[in-house]
Amino acid sequence: EIVMTQSPATLSVSPGERATLSCRASQSVFTNLAWYQQKPGQPPRLLIYGASTRATGIPARFSGSGSGTEFTLTISSLQSEDFALYYCQQYNSWWTFGQGTKVAIK
Amino acid sequence: QVQLQESGPGLVKPSQTLSLTCTVSGGSINNGNYYWSWIRQPAGKGPEWIGRIYYTGSTTYNPSLKSRVTMSVDTSRNQFSLNLTSVTAADTAVYYCARERASRSEDVFDIWGQGTMVTVSS
Repeated sequence: EIVMTQSPATLSVSPGERATLSCRASQSVFTNLAWYQQKPGQPPRLLIYGASTRATGIPARFSGSGSGTEFTLTISSLQSEDFALYYCQQYNSWWTFGQGTKVAIK
Repeated sequence: QVQLQESGPGLVKPSQTLSLTCTVSGGSINNGNYYWSWIRQPAGKGPEWIGRIYYTGSTTYNPSLKSRVTMSVDTSRNQFSLNLTSVTAADTAVYYCARERASRSEDVFDIWGQGTMVTVSS
């Protein structure tokens, strides 16, 4: 099983600042990597797939990068609605999710 | 737009079978561009993929759960279902149904149900 490790567990950021979230795979997943956003009481929402392609309706302030085992999700200027949990998920070999990064208000 | 809705008991006794149904609205489950998946999320943890089914009835299950999982599809009702046998407290979680793109390069979950909390307790 491919293990996905996200860091940090919690990221405290002020509104308007940039947030950078990391995700590491235990073996190469090429660019078969997705990011999801989850708010309390809601299901995950697809943000990014193919490591860098934004899903339909996702604002341009969200961007993804990386390949192989190291990936990054960047939120260029945090809006109030962006404070949430974020999960990475690989789909190269079966489907596994990370444990999440919470983006909190500083 | 396509929507998914889970239904089923919120409380299941240990050693019994957890049974859930997902109803798809706004689109046909017969669409060959998608698989239909079950995913669960214990409190405070990341999601765990349980398995998926195609409209033809073809299934793929998480190896760690395979011995206890059965999925089925009812195309006439636009529904698919999950059975998980011999449940324990470790199976307590929010259970989601989700639509999965049937594309190798975009094999992601693009639409999710709201989720249903299932507690295993006597």
